[in-house]
Amino acid sequence: DAKTTQPTSMDCAEGRAANLPCNHSTISGNEYVYWYRQIHSQGPQYIIHGLKNNETNEMASLIITEDRKSSTLILPHATLRDTAVYYCIPGGGSQGNLIFGKGTKLSVKP
Amino acid sequence: DAGVIQSPRHEVTEMGQEVTLRCKPISGHNSLFWYRQTMMRGLELLIYFNNNVPIDDSGMPEDRFSAKMPNASFSTLKIQPSEPRDSAVYFCASSLVGGVNTQYFGPGTRLTVL
Repeated sequence: DAKTTQPTSMDCAEGRAANLPCNHSTISGNEYVYWYRQIHSQGPQYIIHGLKNNETNEMASLIITEDRKSSTLILPHATLRDTAVYYCIPGGGSQGNLIFGKGTKLSVKP
Repeated sequence: DAGVIQSPRHEVTEMGQEVTLRCKPISGHNSLFWYRQTMMRGLELLIYFNNNVPIDDSGMPEDRFSAKMPNASFSTLKIQPSEPRDSAVYFCASSLVGGVNTQYFGPGTRLTVL
């Protein structure tokens, strides 16, 4: 399984864009990059995933570098409710299991 | 859509007692996962099922833990006998097997073993 490196914590001002980086330099060619988040006292929540191309949905945008060794999750207008731990997870393919690391604790402040 | 349903939401028991956690996956999903989360170890996969068949139980800590999925709409995780170190939040998640692995998590069961 590919290993990931994420900042332990980040702060973001409410209303500003939150950019969460993830390094996954050992990702294999057929592995996706999944992003999940966990709000305090809740179960993890799927945000977005991508393989090669940049992706956008109603929650966030995902930018994947051309060499696929890193990616950035973008929350375009962070709100206080976006305060959570964000997990970058490569793989989760045919085996079906997700390996959660320590993630990045994002604090959105007024 | 009701989402993944777990019961009970909170469980307090004494050491040595049997504990049974329950999970109802999202209708139509055919993969089911049991995770455990503690401050020390983070979120760990215990076991997962595809089409009611256990695929990988390498995360199950020891023989005191067992999981079953008798049908597509119900799964249990049993701990017998329970120990204080089993205190954690246990999450169940479901997804569609194959393709994109988007898992939907339940609210979790907070287990405290005294």
